[in-house]
Amino acid sequence: QKEVEQDPGPLSVPEGAIVSLNCTYSNSAFQYFMWYRQYSRKGPELLMYTYSSGNKEDGRFTAQVDKSSKYISLFIRDSQPSDSATYLCAMSFQGGSEKLVFGKGTKLTVNP
Amino acid sequence: NAGVTQTPKFRILKIGQSMTLQCTQDMNHNYMYWYRQDPGMGLKLIYYSVGAGITDKGEVPNGYNVSRSTTEDFPLRLELAAPSQTSVYFCASSYWGSPAVNEKLFFGSGTQLSVL
Repeated sequence: QKEVEQDPGPLSVPEGAIVSLNCTYSNSAFQYFMWYRQYSRKGPELLMYTYSSGNKEDGRFTAQVDKSSKYISLFIRDSQPSDSATYLCAMSFQGGSEKLVFGKGTKLTVNP
Repeated sequence: NAGVTQTPKFRILKIGQSMTLQCTQDMNHNYMYWYRQDPGMGLKLIYYSVGAGITDKGEVPNGYNVSRSTTEDFPLRLELAAPSQTSVYFCASSYWGSPAVNEKLFFGSGTQLSVL
């Protein structure tokens, strides 16, 4: 079983839809969870950061962590064409950022 | 601020050739990282550095070398290029070097390398 699993998609939705992106993981020691957004031919940029379990909301974006199920989600409300990108989950446990483990990324297209 | 700057953006190498991918950051970050991203795969750490003069191997270091003579620069050297090194390479930097403090990695725009 891979340490972090993420469905690569692609995922195509109409503008205004609610999008749900997910990752599962096997290492119960993970406690820091991130979502990075990567536009085509660009480097990833941090979108959301969550420590341990719970929800975090930032505008149209909500990050959810369920440590009991080893499952994290990113919800995008009222999706826009500008949200079209690849979304990578990333997670880590105590230690340096060199231990960050990335998912494969899910490619999302929001159609106008 | 320019952030993290990578050069070149694209490069085609022949098998056995060598090259250096350049990475410069202007944010005074101590921590710098080199990742490769293969199609449909996550980012894999090649090498990282916690400060000038200090480097260490990541998950996939074979075939690569790095140096860190200044805080700003972290070049990645490919010796004897092989087709397996065809990938997109990203340099990143961070201030804290730890996810425990809401760490944010700043990435460059990448170098697309093909080895033929």
